[in-house]
Amino acid sequence: EVHLVQSGAEVKKPGESLKISCKGSGFSFTSYWIGWVRQMPGKGLEWMGIIYPDDSDTRYSPSFQGQVTISADKSFSSAYLQWTSLEASDTAMYYCARHVPGTWGAIDYWGQGTLLTVST
Amino acid sequence: QSALTQPRSVSGSPGQSVSISCTGTGSDVGRYNYVSWYQQHPGKVPKLIIYDVTKRPSGVPDRFSGSKSGNTASLTISGLQAEDETDYYCCSYAGNSQVIFGGGTKVTVL
Repeated sequence: EVHLVQSGAEVKKPGESLKISCKGSGFSFTSYWIGWVRQMPGKGLEWMGIIYPDDSDTRYSPSFQGQVTISADKSFSSAYLQWTSLEASDTAMYYCARHVPGTWGAIDYWGQGTLLTVST
Repeated sequence: QSALTQPRSVSGSPGQSVSISCTGTGSDVGRYNYVSWYQQHPGKVPKLIIYDVTKRPSGVPDRFSGSKSGNTASLTISGLQAEDETDYYCCSYAGNSQVIFGGGTKVTVL
């Protein structure tokens, strides 16, 4: 059975750094694009970017380019989302997401979400 | 690129059909047949219900159908049921390895 298990909720202060994780199981992690989707409180879904763990080929949404870093470690079947300096506006739920091969934008499996709260 | 445009809300009575529009541009919805739709209940993870404009993943009821005309895609829910009351998001490929979501539509079952 396919699972994407994300790291737990985080409470951070502005200016702090953070790396959250997403571990896949039940499928060939290196054969799928894994992405990240943001959902701010009470708001809609925003596609942040994707990575192909086999070769770490990474694509970013222009809205998130330079704001976050997406990485992967195929030996651990894990993808990561990283910030170097958090802002209050980063407060959101972050989902990792497995993309359906051969198409774009179709996400068939989602992690449970990591809730990030950035506050003084 | 801007988010795709969806109506904020639509409503219908049980058993009726409702459609949700998703308007993009000739650079995304109009150019590619890579439109997907998601259902998200409050506090839950989104669920894929339509992809590649018209395809339904295994297990999704055939009450859900997708279509596209020009720069506008649509999700139709036929035989509306109480459990369909929730939020729906469209999503499209926008070229250059970019994907964009719509703002979301709340479906209310009267």
